[in-house]
Amino acid sequence: DQQVKQNSPSLSVQEGRISILNCDYTNSMFDYFLWYKKYPAEGPTFLISISSIKDKNEDGRFTVFLNKSAKHLSLHIVPSQPGDSAVYFCAASPSYNSGGSNYKLTFGKGTLLTVNP
Amino acid sequence: DAGVIQSPRHEVTEMGQEVTLRCKPISGHDYLFWYRQTMMRGLELLIYFNNNVPIDDSGMPEDRFSAKMPNASFSTLKIQPSEPRDSAVYFCASSLWGRAVGQPQHFGDGTRLSIL
Repeated sequence: DQQVKQNSPSLSVQEGRISILNCDYTNSMFDYFLWYKKYPAEGPTFLISISSIKDKNEDGRFTVFLNKSAKHLSLHIVPSQPGDSAVYFCAASPSYNSGGSNYKLTFGKGTLLTVNP
Repeated sequence: DAGVIQSPRHEVTEMGQEVTLRCKPISGHDYLFWYRQTMMRGLELLIYFNNNVPIDDSGMPEDRFSAKMPNASFSTLKIQPSEPRDSAVYFCASSLWGRAVGQPQHFGDGTRLSIL
C-alpha cells in the first residue's frame, strides 16, 4: 500500500504561470515532509521541507502548504520557468519520537512537470 | 564541496554474476542510505547506516543483497547472484541528522544496473 501518493503522473504549464503539485499521505505518524526535484540521469535534489507544526513554508519561488487534517500537501512554484521542468517527488517521515525508524523517508512516485516556453 | 559520489554510473552484467555498487558519502555526514528506484515501485529504501552501523535493513529484498560500511567514507551494496529483476537505478544518500527535526538527505547520481 502506498503511504505517499502523487496522483498526477504529469503536469504541463506555461512559463510564468503557477505550477501546483499535489501529494497525499495516509500515515498519521508522518510529521515531516520534503519535496525533491530530479533531472534525468541525476539524483534527487532537496528542494523544500515542512514540519507538521507549520502549515506553510516559503523559499523564493517555492512554497509548500500542509493540510494535516486532510493529510495533503502541495508545492507551488511561482512563476514557473522552463528550468523547473523535472520530476518532483514528495517524501515523508514519522516523528522523531514515534518510536519507529524515524529516519526513513517514504517517497511518492513523482510528478513530471513540464514548463513550456 | 563534493556531493555523494557513486560508482559505477552504469553496470551491465549477466545473470548470476556478482555486482558491487560503491558510495562515498558527504564528509561529516553520519547517516548513509541505499535506495532502489524502479518504474513499478518508485524509490524504495533498502538499508541505512548510522555511524557505519546498519540500523534498518528491512527494505533489503532478499539474502542475495548485502551492504557494508567499513568506514565513514565508504559503503558498498552487493548483489550475489544477480538476477534480471534486480535491474534498476540504485541511489546512495547521506545526511547529517543532528536535531529532532530532520535534515534533508543528499543523493548521489545513482548507478543504473542492467542484468541480462
